[in-house]
Amino acid sequence: QKEVEQDPGPLSVPEGAIVSLNCTYSNSAFQYFMWYRQYSRKGPELLMYTYSSGNKEDGRFTAQVDKSSKYISLFIRDSQPSDSATYLCAMRLTGYSTLTFGKGTMLLVSP
Amino acid sequence: DGGITQSPKYLFRKEGQNVTLSCEQNLNHDAMYWYRQDPGQGLRLIYYSQIVNDFQKGDIAEGYSVSREKKESFPLTVTSAQKNPTAFYLCASSIGEGRAYNEQFFGPGTRLTVL
Repeated sequence: QKEVEQDPGPLSVPEGAIVSLNCTYSNSAFQYFMWYRQYSRKGPELLMYTYSSGNKEDGRFTAQVDKSSKYISLFIRDSQPSDSATYLCAMRLTGYSTLTFGKGTMLLVSP
Repeated sequence: DGGITQSPKYLFRKEGQNVTLSCEQNLNHDAMYWYRQDPGQGLRLIYYSQIVNDFQKGDIAEGYSVSREKKESFPLTVTSAQKNPTAFYLCASSIGEGRAYNEQFFGPGTRLTVL
């Protein structure tokens, strides 16, 4: 079983849709959870950073962590064509700096 | 402007040659990282450094070497021992181990192609 599972997509949605991106993980000791956005041929950009369980909102983006289910989600409201990118989830243990990444989900938002 | 720079953006190498990829940061971060990204493979950690003059192997260190002589710089050498070096290489930095919000920030990447 891989440590972090993420559906590679592509996920195609029309502009204005609500998008849900998800990751599952196997190591219950992960405490810090991140979502990165990566445009083609660019470096990943940190979108959301959360600690332990709960929700965090930033503009159109909401990150949700359910540690009991070992499941994290990123919701994008009112999706735009500019949101078309690959979204990577990442997580780490307390006291460590190295991250474990999912393989990324490609999102395509059509006008 | 604070950030991470990587050079060159594109690099071509003949088989059997060593090449060095540059990574510089002016964020005053203690920790720096090198990742390799292949299509459909996500990011895999090559080497990381928590402090000057110290570094640790990541998951796929074979065929690579690094140095950390300055806080701002963490160059990666892809040696001829790396059998499949064609990939997108990403450098990242973070404030340092043991800090609560130790998120990693990435550079723009270097695309290495072996001819």
